Amino acid sequence: DVKVTQSSRYLVKRTGEKVFLECVQDMDHENMFWYRQDPGLGLRLIYFSYDVKMKEKGDIPEGYSVSREKKERFSLILESASTNQTSMYLCASSGPMGRSYEQYFGPGTRLTVT
Amino acid sequence: GDSVTQMEGPVTLSEEAFLTINCTYTATGYPSLFWYVQYPGEGLQLLLKATKADDKGSNKGFEATYRKETTSFHLEKGSVQVSDSAVYFCALSGYSSASKIIFGSGTRLSIRP
Repeated sequence: DVKVTQSSRYLVKRTGEKVFLECVQDMDHENMFWYRQDPGLGLRLIYFSYDVKMKEKGDIPEGYSVSREKKERFSLILESASTNQTSMYLCASSGPMGRSYEQYFGPGTRLTVT
Repeated sequence: GDSVTQMEGPVTLSEEAFLTINCTYTATGYPSLFWYVQYPGEGLQLLLKATKADDKGSNKGFEATYRKETTSFHLEKGSVQVSDSAVYFCALSGYSSASKIIFGSGTRLSIRP
């Protein structure tokens, strides 16, 4: 089974802190993704990566950056956390499965910024 | 651009009722279609998929058929259980960018015992 793990299930940080969210996958997938999930807004793509050291902006990249130094690890960085970044953060990975690219998700990190 | 529209929730049913959650899509080419499920406090899990027209995806008693003529991928289950209570997301993997997935807004399903 594909396993995607995230470094924390729950995290509480203060405004202005630098925050690192880590994601690791064990399926040798090329693609990795970071989403945030908010009530009424569904899933929104923050950043994704299709190869080591490669990244592309998603729909809402402002206030975030990412790092992918190794194929299995994709980090989301909040340079200076703000209260409007309080959310559930979901990491996912995907690779070619025949014709489709279904994504496999981690359990999520619920981040609260106070 | 590509998009997914699904039935708004919440949907509340009694145990053993028949379930339909509607999903329609707009896409160029021949996308792959998915249903994901999210149980409380967890990430999303792939429930089923279909990769070409007239394919039927099925898993855990749920089914959905890829209908290109109506651009639909409705989720159905003949007899729901309390354990099916979750949020369900319809999604597509677009032809133009195979690695990204477009998600619908999600439908919350609650099953009464």
